[in-house]
Amino acid sequence: NAGVTQTPKFRILKIGQSMTLQCTQDMNHNYMYWYRQDPGMGLKLIYYSVGAGITDKGEVPNGYNVSRSTTEDFPLRLELAAPSQTSVYFCASSYWKRQGWTNYGYTFGSGTRLTVV
Amino acid sequence: AQSVTQLDSHVSVSEGTPVLLRCNYSSSYSPSLFWYVQHPNKGLQLLLKYTSAATLVKGINGFEAEFKKSETSFHLTKPSAHMSDAAEYFCVVSGGFKTIFGAGTRLFVKA
Repeated sequence: NAGVTQTPKFRILKIGQSMTLQCTQDMNHNYMYWYRQDPGMGLKLIYYSVGAGITDKGEVPNGYNVSRSTTEDFPLRLELAAPSQTSVYFCASSYWKRQGWTNYGYTFGSGTRLTVV
Repeated sequence: AQSVTQLDSHVSVSEGTPVLLRCNYSSSYSPSLFWYVQHPNKGLQLLLKYTSAATLVKGINGFEAEFKKSETSFHLTKPSAHMSDAAEYFCVVSGGFKTIFGAGTRLFVKA
């Protein structure tokens, strides 16, 4: 049982380049999320998805795009990378039971450390 | 509306002494509450969760937390700290399909 798998683990980008961070989960969770964590800070939500074909913005969506064509995959696209996007990115998934809106907890990937120079 | 406040940004204890990490929350819903741990350069790992069952919740590695509705608190405790407990701890509240992460408490354990 792999849980949430993120690739790559590390990446260095030049300003203006683009890349896609991959995220896959095998727990059949309905919700998936992308967070960024800056040094000494908590987590900030970039985008989330409530199911295949449905995505929505979080707190800090500018400069990013997502798609969710399947339940398992939730890639994050960075267009025109900027130094402000230097961060650690975490993908997560969770199961929300709609009756009573109960969240049974998040499972996180191991993170992608991105540096933009 | 929901919010979560971790009352201490840093906590330092000696090995073998009790650990207390404090978390207060507010929620318009019947919330689910969680504690996560993050070791350096690692992802977040679920320690324990409260989802409207027993108010005293036991988690992994000897941690436990008590949901106190009257005090809107969900403090994390452990009877005896171990060096391997040194990490960042996050309190999380979920309700009405919104999830809020606390800012984190860094736990230092002295030998």
